[in-house]
This record gives sequence, structure tokens and C-alpha cells, in this order.
Amino acid sequence: QKEVEQDPGPLSVPEGAIVSLNCTYSNSAFQYFMWYRQYSRKGPELLMYTYSSGNKEDGRFTAQVDKSSKYISLFIRDSQPSDSATYLCAMSETYMYSGGGADGLTFGKGTHLIIQP
Amino acid sequence: DTAVSQTPKYLVTQMGNDKSIKCEQNLGHDTMYWYKQDSKKFLKIMFSYNNKELIINETVPNRFSPKSPDKAHLNLHINSLELGDSAVYFCASRVGQGEKAFFGQGTRLTVV
Repeated sequence: QKEVEQDPGPLSVPEGAIVSLNCTYSNSAFQYFMWYRQYSRKGPELLMYTYSSGNKEDGRFTAQVDKSSKYISLFIRDSQPSDSATYLCAMSETYMYSGGGADGLTFGKGTHLIIQP
Repeated sequence: DTAVSQTPKYLVTQMGNDKSIKCEQNLGHDTMYWYKQDSKKFLKIMFSYNNKELIINETVPNRFSPKSPDKAHLNLHINSLELGDSAVYFCASRVGQGEKAFFGQGTRLTVV
């Protein structure tokens, strides 16, 4: 079983719609959760960053984390054609130094989102 | 100013060659990473460096070697390139425990 599952899409919605993107995960040690947006031939750009469970809002974007269900979501309100991109969820455990285990980010495979004008 | 910069942006080379990709971050971060993104867009971590010490080394071939001359740089050396090494390689940096990572723009490596 993969650590992080994400539907690759493509997900196509009309402009102005509310978009819901989701990831599930199996590692209960994940504490930090991020959403990245990646345009074609560009590097991932951090959109949202949350710690543990709860909601976080930033403009048209809302990130939700439900650790009990091991489920995270990203909502995009009033979607625009410029939101068309691949959205990657990422998560990590607590980072340990000095010979202990240490981790980078574990990514989902990304959801390709298309906003139709 | 670019926070995490990689060079070159594109690299086309023949099988068997040795090549390097450079990465620099001006964020003062403690940890730097190399990720590989395959043709299916899946990002997988290869290495991380914290204060010039290799922290993790995923199951990548030993033809790949990270080298960090200082805290702001983490270069990736690849020996005896193979066709399967073709991918986009991303450098990233992070300030510390659990913090968000920032990515470079990627190096698209094509081995012919």
C-alpha cells in the first residue's frame, strides 16, 4: 500500500466552480501537511501548510486535515483558468537530527486540474 | 531573487557520460534535498543534507552522489548515465523540523 494516495485526474471543472482535491495516507506519524501547485515545466510552488488537524484558509484556498481519518483536502473557491495545474499533496513526520531517522516530504502523485473558461 | 536555483535547466547527454547539476539556496535553510520526478509526475526523494551531513539516502544507485561544499549548496553528480535516468530533478530546501520545503525550477535531464 502506497503511503500517500491521490487521484491523478484529470479533473475538469467550469470556471467559478468550487474544486475539492483530496489525499489519503496510511502513516499515522505524519504531522505536517502541505499542498503544492505545479505548472507545466515548473517547480512545485507551496500553496498551503498546516500542522496536525484543522482548517486553514488563505484567500480562495482552504486546506483541511482530518488525522483521525488520515484524509486531507484542498478547496479552491471561485476557480480561475489560471488555477489549471497539477496539485500535489505532501506530508512529513517530525524531523529528527543526530543519527535518528529524518525525512523529506512524501508526495502524492498529483491531481491534474483543468479549469474551463 | 530566486530562493532555490538550479543549473542547468535542461541537460541532454549520451549514455555513459558523467554530469553534474548544481543547486544553491539563499534562504539560510539548514536542510537541502534532491528529488526525482518521473514521467508520471511522481516526486520521490533521493537525498537530504543537513549541515553538510547526509541524513537520508533513499535506494538510489550509487552512481548518484550528492556533494555539499557549504550549507547553501547541494550539487548532484551522476556517473555513467543510463537511459532510465531521464527525468526532472528538483532541488529543495527547508529550514528545519517539519517546516515547509521550497523547490527549485527543476533540471530536465534527457539521456540519449
